[in-house]
Amino acid sequence: KNEVEQSPQNLTAQEGEFITINCSYSVGISALHWLQQHPGGGIVSLFMLSSGKKKHGRLIATINIQEKHSSLHITASHPRDSAVYICAVTGNQFYFGTGTSLTVIP
Amino acid sequence: DAGVIQSPRHEVTEMGQEVTLRCKPISGHNSLFWYRQTMMRGLELLIYFNNNVPIDDSGMPEDRFSAKMPNASFSTLKIQPSEPRDSAVYFCASSLTRSGNEQFFGPGTRLTVL
Repeated sequence: KNEVEQSPQNLTAQEGEFITINCSYSVGISALHWLQQHPGGGIVSLFMLSSGKKKHGRLIATINIQEKHSSLHITASHPRDSAVYICAVTGNQFYFGTGTSLTVIP
Repeated sequence: DAGVIQSPRHEVTEMGQEVTLRCKPISGHNSLFWYRQTMMRGLELLIYFNNNVPIDDSGMPEDRFSAKMPNASFSTLKIQPSEPRDSAVYFCASSLTRSGNEQFFGPGTRLTVL
């Protein structure tokens, strides 16, 4: 049983499309993180959420604590958004999703 | 600030050898995390420190792994003896606090144990 489930596992989109990646978790948390890992391997923290919604440029992250669900949205997607997006939750322990591999085609 | 610094970036060693990975967190950050990433298991938290004190090492796979943080600006992850199944990318990250702030990741150390 995975404490953090992400969907979809793989996603291919045309440049300009609106993209949604979902994350569901089954444990109590103090925060949820969205991480981005580019093909080169580096990991960047995109958002840390404990409630509501955050926006940074074309990226929007939302969390519903009651439903134990978070979404990462990318508006006007671009090939440089191609990466693996990882959802992670922190509470008593740390749990990671298996990641969503996004490819944006020009 | 240069961000989280890890060394070496790549390490190739033979089974049975001791491996030491190093991490310098961002100045002023109180929490430091060691992660391992493999294709099979994804990202896993190995251990984290708060104010140089190990808080949770339940992710450390076995006694061959040990981590230290002698001061606020330096941490090591040691594997002795190393085994081929330890081959992975090891990331170090730091944050202002354990869970209330975003984590900043180092570039990782790619370890290959032959």
